[in-house]
Amino acid sequence: GPKVLQIPSHQIIDMGQMVTLNCDPVSNHLYFYWYKQILGQQMEFLVNFYNGKVMEKSKLFKDQFSVERPDGSYFTLKIQPTALEDSAVYFCASSFDNYEQYFGPGTRLTVL
Amino acid sequence: QQKVQQSPESLTVSEGAMASLNCTFSDRSSDNFRWYRQHSGKGLEVLVSIFSDGEKEEGSFTAHLNRASLHVFLHIREPQPSDSALYLCAVSNGANTGKLTFGHGTILRVHP
Repeated sequence: GPKVLQIPSHQIIDMGQMVTLNCDPVSNHLYFYWYKQILGQQMEFLVNFYNGKVMEKSKLFKDQFSVERPDGSYFTLKIQPTALEDSAVYFCASSFDNYEQYFGPGTRLTVL
Repeated sequence: QQKVQQSPESLTVSEGAMASLNCTFSDRSSDNFRWYRQHSGKGLEVLVSIFSDGEKEEGSFTAHLNRASLHVFLHIREPQPSDSALYLCAVSNGANTGKLTFGHGTILRVHP
């Protein structure tokens, strides 16, 4: 099926630093999402993005988080500054019609 | 707020024996239900999506939705050891939001 890629697969950074997680969505998809999964807990919605704008975000999407897709390339999640509780696996997804979402393999973020 | 729960937490079956997984949701206005599978270290693979009461079959996977009882089931016919994975139920309220609410998942082990 359609493939979503995420780069890097693992990232380790010090608390307070900035981190950017990259998602390479399916080429003709228009809707983009980020989800967060803390170890042992269920996957939770962070944000969805369409036509250059955030459509909806959850309480987990703190002020330190931002998303963008400059020039139709990677869809990115930036966290600045990072906190210990940001340690989790972050999954990106994309969709053509906001119905069927295709997920990437996740980026494991460890904040020390 | 939508709550999605899955049972059992883990299930072990023999190769070829039917496996049945359960998912309950709390919001009766939900109209969009999906089952995903996640092999260790990989992304989510969509198995079957269902939008109306009744059954929907995709290969060896059958989803059964009963909105009145707030249940959506997944039946796996003749599972193979390669079907051993984490199975996730996800619920949303249609294309306007795209936000998926996930359960914790059921770990399925299929013994040869």
